[in-house]
Amino acid sequence: QVLLVQSGGEVKKPGASVKVSCMASGYTFTIYFMHWVRQAPGQGLEWMGVINPSGGSTTYAQNFQGRVTMTRDTSANTIYMELSDLGSEDTAVYYCARERGPNPHFDVWGQGTLVTVSS
Amino acid sequence: EIQMTQSPSSLSASVGDRVTITCRTSRSVSSYLNWYQHKPGKAPKLLIYVASVLQSGVPSRFSGSGSGTDFTLTISGLQPEDSATYYCQQSYSTPPWAFGQGTKVEIK
Repeated sequence: QVLLVQSGGEVKKPGASVKVSCMASGYTFTIYFMHWVRQAPGQGLEWMGVINPSGGSTTYAQNFQGRVTMTRDTSANTIYMELSDLGSEDTAVYYCARERGPNPHFDVWGQGTLVTVSS
Repeated sequence: EIQMTQSPSSLSASVGDRVTITCRTSRSVSSYLNWYQHKPGKAPKLLIYVASVLQSGVPSRFSGSGSGTDFTLTISGLQPEDSATYYCQQSYSTPPWAFGQGTKVEIK
């Protein structure tokens, strides 16, 4: 079946960077765009950006431009999201999600990765 | 950038009740409106896409309607397992892939 499996939780200090992975299985990796969404404690879902696993092109949400980098490794069916210059406000659960079209929606989600930023 | 407004922000209802959640967009998104259910500690789950298409495996008590700027998610016959936060999302004009602020549904 279609699965997205994310890397484990991370604890980082303010100013550090974190890299979260999301491995896809059960479908052709390069066909579907992949998104990252996060949820901070007590907050709603926040879209961070999207990557095309085929060519590697990306689009980032304005709030994260300059701090986020999304990449992929087609040999490993894996996408990555790296967020730099972490602050306490980046403490959140980070999700990857697959975009299904042509009426775009996020049909499969990873289990989530908790990133805690604390000194 | 399209703004999303959900109402109410929270509600409490009894098992068997009919529950309605509204999502309004700042300009027309045609029918490009999705609904997700999110439970604590779990991944969000797609319920409905293109305003009214039920995702495979989702119980038929969930339904969606609307077009343009006004949309509704209805739960007909609320069940205990429906306790969750529900989000709308527009996919008409992207980026960004904006979500509504969420509606928390509690069971009385």
